[in-house]
Amino acid sequence: SQQGEEDPQALSIQEGENATMNCSYKTSINNLQWYRQNSGRGLVHLILIRSNEREKHSGRLRVTLDTSKKSSSLLITASRAADTASYFCATTPSGNTGKLIFGQGTTLQVKP
Amino acid sequence: DAGVIQSPRHEVTEMGQEVTLRCKPISGHNSLFWYRQTMMRGLELLIYFNNNVPIDDSGMPEDRFSAKMPNASFSTLKIQPSEPRDSAVYFCASSLPGRLNTEAFFGQGTRLTVV
Repeated sequence: SQQGEEDPQALSIQEGENATMNCSYKTSINNLQWYRQNSGRGLVHLILIRSNEREKHSGRLRVTLDTSKKSSSLLITASRAADTASYFCATTPSGNTGKLIFGQGTTLQVKP
Repeated sequence: DAGVIQSPRHEVTEMGQEVTLRCKPISGHNSLFWYRQTMMRGLELLIYFNNNVPIDDSGMPEDRFSAKMPNASFSTLKIQPSEPRDSAVYFCASSLPGRLNTEAFFGQGTRLTVV
C-alpha cells in the first residue's frame, strides 16, 4: 500500500504562475522528500525535509511540513515550461531509515 | 559515477517467458530498491535491500517475482513466468541511508511489455 497521496492529481498553469502541490501521509515519518519525473525518465530528488523541520527552501522550491496533520506542500514559484513534469512525495517511516514509499504523484503542466 | 544503471532499457517478451531485469547501484550505496510504475497503481515499492540483505519484500506481487542481490554492485529482479499484467516500467534506485541523508538515486528504468 502506498503511504502518500498527492493533491491535485493534475495541475495546469501558465508560465510565471506559482504551482502548489500537496501530499498527505499516514504514519509517523523520519523525513519527507519530493521528487520530479520527466516523461519516460527516472525520478530525480528535489528536496528533503526532516520531521523536526517546518519549512525549507531550495531555489524556486518551497516545502512545508505539518506533522500534526501528516501533510506537506511543494510550492514552485515563477513556474517555467521546463517545470512540466510529475511530482511525487516520498516518506521514510519512523524507525526505518531505509524504506522509501512514494505517493501517486501530481502531473504539472506549465503552458508557455 | 555513472549513476544507477539498469538493463535492458526495453524488454518485450511473450507471456510465460522468464524475464530478468538488472541493476547496478551507485558505488558505495548500501540500500537498493526495486519499484514498479504503472498508470493504474503508480509507483509501488516491490522490495528493498540493505547491505545486500532483503529487508522488506512485502510489495512483491506474488511468487512469480523474485529478487536477488549477490553483491553490493549488482541486483536482479526476475519474473517467471511473465504475464501481460506485469507490463510496467521497473525502476531500480539506490541510496546511502541514515537519519540525515536518505536521498534515492534512480535508474532510467526498464520498460517491460509482456504480450
